[in-house]
Amino acid sequence: DQQVKQNSPSLSVQEGRISILNCDYTNSMFDYFLWYKKYPAEGPTFLISISSIKDKNEDGRFTVFLNKSAKHLSLHIVPSQPGDSAVYFCAASAGWDSGAGSYQLTFGKGTKLSVIP
Amino acid sequence: NAGVTQTPKFRVLKTGQSMTLLCAQDMNHEYMYWYRQDPGMGLRLIHYSVGEGTTAKGEVPDGYNVSRLKKQNFLLGLESAAPSQTSVYFCASRSILRGRSYEQYFGPGTRLTVT
Repeated sequence: DQQVKQNSPSLSVQEGRISILNCDYTNSMFDYFLWYKKYPAEGPTFLISISSIKDKNEDGRFTVFLNKSAKHLSLHIVPSQPGDSAVYFCAASAGWDSGAGSYQLTFGKGTKLSVIP
Repeated sequence: NAGVTQTPKFRVLKTGQSMTLLCAQDMNHEYMYWYRQDPGMGLRLIHYSVGEGTTAKGEVPDGYNVSRLKKQNFLLGLESAAPSQTSVYFCASRSILRGRSYEQYFGPGTRLTVT
């Protein structure tokens, strides 16, 4: 039972255009969402996050949108650059109060973004 | 600051052999985690620790053991390696402080092949 789903394994976008990566979740206890970026042969690095009390968070070229009613979030990258080519993981946490006890992150399977020059 | 480091970077084992993966962090983080990443599977939590001397099972703990004798180190052991444990292993750590408390910092990974 996959609680965090990234249904697009890959995405190709032209340089300068917008990249939109999508993520759906099923667990209504999730209250915090994160996006990680991963280059080959490196560990994931944190990109941006959003709390469930917000519907948008912006950091430079990166914006995350959260639609709680649809249990859907998306990452927008504008404008896309060749250096953005990487695998992007969506992750969610239910926090301490739900009994998780450790702020465990549940990851999606990732979307490979290719930005074409 | 080195952040999160992992030793070794690569390893090839024969079925039945044992080994220990070492994770070290210099950020004084309380929480530490071990994940495995397999093709098309994302990252799955093996074991985690919320403090020195404490460990707990994650999503896929079978075949692995862990120890957290020092706050800065988290060891992952394979007592009898199996081909199904061929994977890339990532260690991560997180601070207990509020704010961006959900963010985990990852190491560079250990690529393990079991033949």
